[in-house]
Amino acid sequence: QSALTQPASVSGSPGQSITISCTGSSSDIGYSKYVSWYQQHPGRAPKVIIFEVSNRPSGVSNRFSAFKSGNTASLTISGLQAEDEADYFCSSSTTTSTQVTFGGGTKLTVL
Amino acid sequence: QVQLVESGGGLVKPGGSLRLSCAASGFTFSNYYMTWIRQSPGQGMEWVSSISNGADKYLYADSVRGRFTTSWDNAKNSLYLQMNSLRAEDTAVYYCARESWYTMELWGQGTTVTISS
Repeated sequence: QSALTQPASVSGSPGQSITISCTGSSSDIGYSKYVSWYQQHPGRAPKVIIFEVSNRPSGVSNRFSAFKSGNTASLTISGLQAEDEADYFCSSSTTTSTQVTFGGGTKLTVL
Repeated sequence: QVQLVESGGGLVKPGGSLRLSCAASGFTFSNYYMTWIRQSPGQGMEWVSSISNGADKYLYADSVRGRFTTSWDNAKNSLYLQMNSLRAEDTAVYYCARESWYTMELWGQGTTVTISS
């Protein structure tokens, strides 16, 4: 069981916006400024789309945005496109001996 | 081209050993924290081990400490994960990643490890 909790699936139609939540605790998300989000298409390597809570790496679409409040981080994808259909998972540094903890992943379906 | 390529996965009996390799190209991996992460079937990602740039820190998850050992070869620009006393619960896809401040900024494609009798 993952330390960070994400919904198993979300869906949306092209052009719509969706939000994926990632809930942890005061030992990880609530404590950390190092919260990241990743996109993984089937059979492909994960790709970072958000780092340090809300920053986008160069080349990542500004349709991806994120923030955190308390022990919960959230990823919003606006203007959904077919290519956004993928698995998304979050991660956070922790106060424990576990260097990084991850969410269980959310499957995004673009209807 | 900046990339990581894992190899060495396979089918092993419980109690056996396996050595995974991760070859880096396009950058000098000794300048970065390098991390092993695994994903069990139907499960989320799990951090396994990290090695600091300069190799002065070796970090391990509680679930693998004492059984897994991370090492590297500067000359080959490669990272390794020696896995001993393997258990069924070690079955997973193993990824190596280049880490920057707890963000896995570059991932390999992964190599599959199956522990079964």
